[in-house]
Amino acid sequence: GENVEQHPSTLSVQEGDSAVIKCTYSDSASNYFPWYKQELGKRPQLIIDIRSNVGEKKDQRIAVTLNKTAKHFSLHITETQPEDSAVYFCAASHKPYSSASKIIFGSGTRLSIRP
Amino acid sequence: DVKVTQSSRYLVKRTGEKVFLECVQDMDHENMFWYRQDPGLGLRLIYFSYDVKMKEKGDIPEGYSVSREKKERFSLILESASTNQTSMYLCASRGGGTGAGEQFFGPGTRLTVL
Repeated sequence: GENVEQHPSTLSVQEGDSAVIKCTYSDSASNYFPWYKQELGKRPQLIIDIRSNVGEKKDQRIAVTLNKTAKHFSLHITETQPEDSAVYFCAASHKPYSSASKIIFGSGTRLSIRP
Repeated sequence: DVKVTQSSRYLVKRTGEKVFLECVQDMDHENMFWYRQDPGLGLRLIYFSYDVKMKEKGDIPEGYSVSREKKERFSLILESASTNQTSMYLCASRGGGTGAGEQFFGPGTRLTVL
């Protein structure tokens, strides 16, 4: 089945610097790659997503890149701020052409922004 | 706004009790999911359902069962609760089809089994 690996598990960056989280997936049929942010005590919420027909997508300070050949995608956060501190999950769709399609999550990255 | 609601935010049960966790979504989504979240272990899929009365096992189904009698409601059942089932339980829903996008999560139920 689909497997999504995420690195690093923890990341600490100085406020104002950039943060990069990387993921790889195993199922070449996957066609949807969302990123979720979970703040302490809250539910995971979608922050950005990308489909397999697009190589890059940007929304203000966050961007996601996708390399289908390498089965690799990354989240980039620029000009980090204290409110960016959270756990981030990457994910990939599994069995996207099946009625039993589901999203497989990576293990999460705890991002801390140092003042 | 999609709303996914869960019946309880906090629940305390005793070992051996039968426990029901309820989840309701209001966006007519085909797919519904139950995860448990433990520190350092991410989001682990217990069961999911892609249609009424249809279910599939996730990664950690042992000790759990589910029920989906209506499209908007997905229940997680712990037949005989054990202390190792103490965890945060998250429900989620998502539309169907190949163009399906965002998965929406409920607020979570923190279950403690004594």
